[in-house]
Amino acid sequence: DVKVTQSSRYLVKRTGEKVFLECVQDMDHENMFWYRQDPGLGLRLIYFSYDVKMKEKGDIPEGYSVSREKKERFSLILESASTNQTSMYLCASTLNPNTGELFFGEGSRLTVL
Amino acid sequence: AQKVTQAQTEISVVEKEDVTLDCVYETRDTTYYLFWYKQPPSGELVFLIRRNSFDEQNEISGRYSWNFQKSTSSFNFTITASQVVDSAVYFCALSEAEDNYGQNFVFGPGTRLSVLP
Repeated sequence: DVKVTQSSRYLVKRTGEKVFLECVQDMDHENMFWYRQDPGLGLRLIYFSYDVKMKEKGDIPEGYSVSREKKERFSLILESASTNQTSMYLCASTLNPNTGELFFGEGSRLTVL
Repeated sequence: AQKVTQAQTEISVVEKEDVTLDCVYETRDTTYYLFWYKQPPSGELVFLIRRNSFDEQNEISGRYSWNFQKSTSSFNFTITASQVVDSAVYFCALSEAEDNYGQNFVFGPGTRLSVLP
């Protein structure tokens, strides 16, 4: 069974802390994505990566960075968490980013106090 | 730029009722793909269906059916004889085939469906 695994389901952090969200997929997909999900706004793309060490900004990259050192792992980093980054974060991967379905992890719900 | 609209924010139905979730999209491309995903309370989005812009045939899969109409830019999803397990948030999404690396894989805001016993 294909799998996208996100390291933490729930996190609580304080303003200013550095936050790492990890995502691992076992499908050998080149393409990986980080989305943020907020009520009424759907899913908004933060960053995506189409290959190891390659990354592209999505619609809302401000306040975030990413790392893709290995094909199977895509990390989202919040250098200095702020309360407006409280949200659900979803990682996804796909073989073909235009035509293929996205496979999602279970999500990481981050609360910044 | 492309856009996906799901006008229904929340829908409640009683078990065994039929329910239709609306999806309207905007795109300037002639080649594009439409998707529906289900997000149950567990949080993980699950792929339901993909349609390309050249295939307007309606599709049925068990209690699920999809109606794709290019003339109205709609890709509606119907659940027949709904069940409590259908309760979830449903997202419609659009991807333009000519796009760079899927950057514009756009999701609608979602429709929360509650099926009451």
